[in-house]
Amino acid sequence: KAGVTQTPRYLIKTRGQQVTLSCSPISGHRSVSWYQQTPGQGLQFLFEYFSETQRNKGNFPGRFSGRQFSNSRSEMNVSTLELGDSALYLCASSYRDAGYEQYFGPGTRLTVT
Amino acid sequence: GEDVEQSLFLSVREGDSSVINCTYTDSSSTYLYWYKQEPGAGLQLLTYIFSNMDMKQDQRLTVLLNKKDKHLSLRIADTQTGDSAIYFCAEASGNTPLVFGKGTRLSVIA
Repeated sequence: KAGVTQTPRYLIKTRGQQVTLSCSPISGHRSVSWYQQTPGQGLQFLFEYFSETQRNKGNFPGRFSGRQFSNSRSEMNVSTLELGDSALYLCASSYRDAGYEQYFGPGTRLTVT
Repeated sequence: GEDVEQSLFLSVREGDSSVINCTYTDSSSTYLYWYKQEPGAGLQLLTYIFSNMDMKQDQRLTVLLNKKDKHLSLRIADTQTGDSAIYFCAEASGNTPLVFGKGTRLSVIA
């Protein structure tokens, strides 16, 4: 089975712009979670989608949003980018729950200048 | 709230065993995970243990869980240079998302 894929792998944006990241989960997995990884804060949970519904949400501002499509692919969007949004954004999928056997993609490295 | 603590660094010689420790605070944790992250890569799920287990062995990896002390450890036998990476401990229960430690950077000296 193919693993979790994320596109693009690298992005450079300027402050104030918006960005959309994409994640394709492992075939058959219906739960997709997003995490932000930074050197200072470590790994922080953003949100989780299951069958096109947001089931869990982390403590991030409303500029961070996501969605899931009927084929389980997911996108996350960050509007009005700030320098502090520079991070590695990781997507993970599971066939069941947000806390069960999460398999991660390679991540999208976002740099905001 | 939940918290997961790990020491930041560990250095071992090639061929020795490595032991990475983790403590967590959420007594309702159901699953406890170990992930590995190599430079520039995502997280690789190494192994996990259910909270009703004390030990799990998987080839060179041994996970020990002391639920009373909320202490989890990962032992890597015969550590190789390819094991050099950051190792993350994470806990979760039911449908709650993973809560990660800050990671332990393992350096293997040849």
